[in-house]
Amino acid sequence: EIQMTQSPSSLSASVGDRVTITCRASQDVSIWLAWYQQKAGKAPKLLIYAVSSLQSGVPSRFSGGGSGTDFTLTISNLQPEDFATYYCQQANSFPRTFGQGTKVEIK
Amino acid sequence: EVQLMESGGGLVQPGGSLRLSCAASGYTFSTYEMNWVRQAPGKGLEWVSHISSASRTIYYADSVKGRFTISRDNADNSLFLQMNSLRVEDTAIYFCVRVSGSGRHIDYWGQGTLVTVSS
Repeated sequence: EIQMTQSPSSLSASVGDRVTITCRASQDVSIWLAWYQQKAGKAPKLLIYAVSSLQSGVPSRFSGGGSGTDFTLTISNLQPEDFATYYCQQANSFPRTFGQGTKVEIK
Repeated sequence: EVQLMESGGGLVQPGGSLRLSCAASGYTFSTYEMNWVRQAPGKGLEWVSHISSASRTIYYADSVKGRFTISRDNADNSLFLQMNSLRVEDTAIYFCVRVSGSGRHIDYWGQGTLVTVSS
């Protein structure tokens, strides 16, 4: 089973900040890395797939990068609606696994 | 518009059974792989099970293997999760999710149905 480790677990930031979340896989996951955003009481929403492809309708301030085992989600110019919990997920092999989540809070 | 609507959640005693359903609409259900993902109260996301479009390939998380069974009815645009021998730790919101046709990521999520296992 591939373990996914996100860091940090939480962070405080201000509107307008640039935020980067890291996701590390215990094995190479090739391009099969996605990022999801979840707001309280809601279902998650796809942001980024295949490491760096932006899902349709997602603002361009969200970007993904990395390769192999180390990946990042960057939010530039943080907006009030971006305060949420973010999860990475690998889809290289079964069982699919998620990171533990990173909660982005308002400073 | 793609819609996924779960039903069948509720309160069940440890050792009991429950069958979740997911009604899909807005797309050609029979051509997409589907998964179940769950989230315990206040916790992160946990992948539960996968089924291919024609039900030929099925996978489970170790935590549910031998107790849960995923299935689908392509004629009725429905996905199911039969949950037996339920444990307190199975308490969670269960999400029905669609796997993208152009990759392996989840592109649509239902709103979820709450399963509570308690005596």
